[in-house]
Amino acid sequence: DAKTTQPNSMESNEEEPVHLPCNHSTISGTDYIHWYRQLPSQGPEYVIHGLTSNVNNRMASLAIAEDRKSSTLILHRATLRDAAVYYCILRDVDYGGATNKLIFGTGTLLAVQP
Amino acid sequence: NAGVMQNPRHLVRRRGQEARLRCSPMKGHSHVYWYRQLPEEGLKFMVYLQKENIIDESGMPKERFSAEFPKEGPSILRIQQVVRGDSAAYFCASSPTGTAGYTFGSGTRLTVV
Repeated sequence: DAKTTQPNSMESNEEEPVHLPCNHSTISGTDYIHWYRQLPSQGPEYVIHGLTSNVNNRMASLAIAEDRKSSTLILHRATLRDAAVYYCILRDVDYGGATNKLIFGTGTLLAVQP
Repeated sequence: NAGVMQNPRHLVRRRGQEARLRCSPMKGHSHVYWYRQLPEEGLKFMVYLQKENIIDESGMPKERFSAEFPKEGPSILRIQQVVRGDSAAYFCASSPTGTAGYTFGSGTRLTVV
C-alpha cells in the first residue's frame, strides 16, 4: 500500500479554519484518498474521500493537488469537538474485494484552543 | 438506523481465559473488518470477513485468534488463552460493499489481568 506522511500534531483556535496536510508521493492511479478521525476513547469516524476532484460534505472539504501527490483536509470552522487524531489513508479500489482493508498511519493530533 | 454495535464495551479477563468480542454490523452491511489498537499506538488491521467467509486474515496473529461472521448473528472475534499483551481496544467496522467507506463501532476494551 502506498504510504502517507502527515505532521504529528497541529493546533488551531476555535472558529478558525484548519488545513490538515497529507503527502502521498507514491500514490497510484487507482488509489482513493480517505480521511478518518478518531476522537478520544471512540472508534474512527469517516470524514471524506476523493479521487481527483475536490470534494465537499457537511463535515469538511478535501482539496487534492493536480498531480495527486498531496491533499489537504479543510475544516472550515474548528470547534472543540473537532479535537481528534486525523488519519489520511490511501485505499486502492479492488473490486474483487481482496484489498479493502484500511492501513492507518499515526495521523495528525489536532488540538483546538478555545 | 443503529450504527455498528459492539459488545461488551469493556471486558476483563484473567490470563489463560477466553475472550469473545461481538460485532453487529449496520443493517444492510455484509462486509465486516476487525482492527486492534494497542495503548498509545495506531489501529492495526486484523481481519476482513463477508458472510460465512474470511476474505483477508493477513493481520491476525497465527495462534489463539480466530474470527467468524456466520450467516445469522453477529461477527465474533475470539481470543483463546489471553495474555497481558492482548490488552487493547478492538474495533469492528462494517460497509455495504467492499469499496464503500467504513462505519466503525465504539470498540471493546479488553483488559487482561
